[in-house]
Parts: sequence; C-alpha cells; structure tokens
Amino acid sequence: AQSVTQLGSHVSVSEGALVLLRCNYSSSVPPYLFWYVQYPNQGLQLLLKYTSAATLVKGINGFEAEFKKSETSFHLTKPSAHMSDAAEYFCAVRVNRDDKIIFGKGTRLHILP
Amino acid sequence: NAGVTQTPKFRILKIGQSMTLQCTQDMNHNYMYWYRQDPGMGLKLIYYSVGAGITDKGEVPNGYNVSRSTTEDFPLRLELAAPSQTSVYFCASSSGTGGQETQYFGPGTRLLVL
Repeated sequence: AQSVTQLGSHVSVSEGALVLLRCNYSSSVPPYLFWYVQYPNQGLQLLLKYTSAATLVKGINGFEAEFKKSETSFHLTKPSAHMSDAAEYFCAVRVNRDDKIIFGKGTRLHILP
Repeated sequence: NAGVTQTPKFRILKIGQSMTLQCTQDMNHNYMYWYRQDPGMGLKLIYYSVGAGITDKGEVPNGYNVSRSTTEDFPLRLELAAPSQTSVYFCASSSGTGGQETQYFGPGTRLLVL
C-alpha cells in the first residue's frame, strides 16, 4: 500500500536560512508526488508536483523538490527562508491513476527573525 | 472563477444534531472530495465523487453521508453529530485522476461538536 512519511512535525529555521522539509514515500512503482502548502485558516494549495518529466521540480515561491528513487524521497527545499513561508506543508502521494491521494501528517514551518 | 467555496466557515453543534456542509466548485471538475483535518493527523478522505450521481467511501466515512446531484455541488451531511466529528472539513475538486491532477481546495469549515 502506498504511504508517505514526513519527518518532523515542526521545523524552525531562521529568516534567510535554507529550508529543508523531508518526505519519504512507500511504493513499488514510481508514484505521483505532490507538495501542498496551507497558510493559517486557509485551504491547501499546490506548491509543486512530480510528474516523471524531470527529477528536480520547481514550484511556486522559490520552492523546489528532488525526486530520488533510490532513497524513495521527495524532499522540499528553498535556499532562503522568508517570513511569509511560515505555514504547514503536506507531502502527498498517489501510486496509480485510480488511487486516491494519500497525504502525510504535515510539517509546520516556523521562521525565526 | 471563485474556485471551491464552502459554507459555513464555522459552526457549533450539539451532540445529536444534524447539519449539511455545503461545497460548490465552478471549474467544471468531475472529481470532488471531502476531507477532515485533525491536528497532527494530516488529511483523511471521507467521501469522494467521480461525477454527478456517483459517490464512494473514503478512509473515514462513518457518520457522514454525501450526494452529488450536479457537477458543481457536493454537500456533506452529518446526521447525528458526535464530539469525534469536531474537526476542520475541506472540500476539494480536480479534473480527473490521470494521476498528476492538482486538487483545488476550499477554505474549510471548522466544526465544533459539544
């Protein structure tokens, strides 16, 4: 069965520092992978998605993620954190086109001034 | 486009009461979903629909019902509210399940059952 694990329910970084949010998936075949962001009191919105066209995926707001099949990972990074990046981030996976998307438990990103 | 809209934004229910959470999308999406979000638990799928007249259970359907009479609307019904249904509910829609479709989420309904 497909699953996704996000390491760290809370991550704190200083403004201007590197952001790294970890996501590992479980799947016997290359899955579809997504990162969604949820700002306070809002719904989720798509940051980026892996569609097998390229292993390094660029998303909105300067975020990117790299698909590493050997590590079954899809970590989210941003070179320089901004205060406006404070939000909750969800990794999600879908193995087959007929499967439902499975969301991770989320990582709340805190930005320290 | 308004996207996905949900009403109400917030509601307090007493145990045993019933209510309907409304969800409407104006993107002509065939697929619609209801999730609940509890702190530290991510999103759990309650019900989903692949088109008007077709609905199916998700991971946590007990205590809920849905209907899909039109492409635009996908209401979620709570018949006998219980404290365990205190949560934030999100409706979402997508164009299909080719695999990589984006899901578009509404702003959520916060429900408190006392």
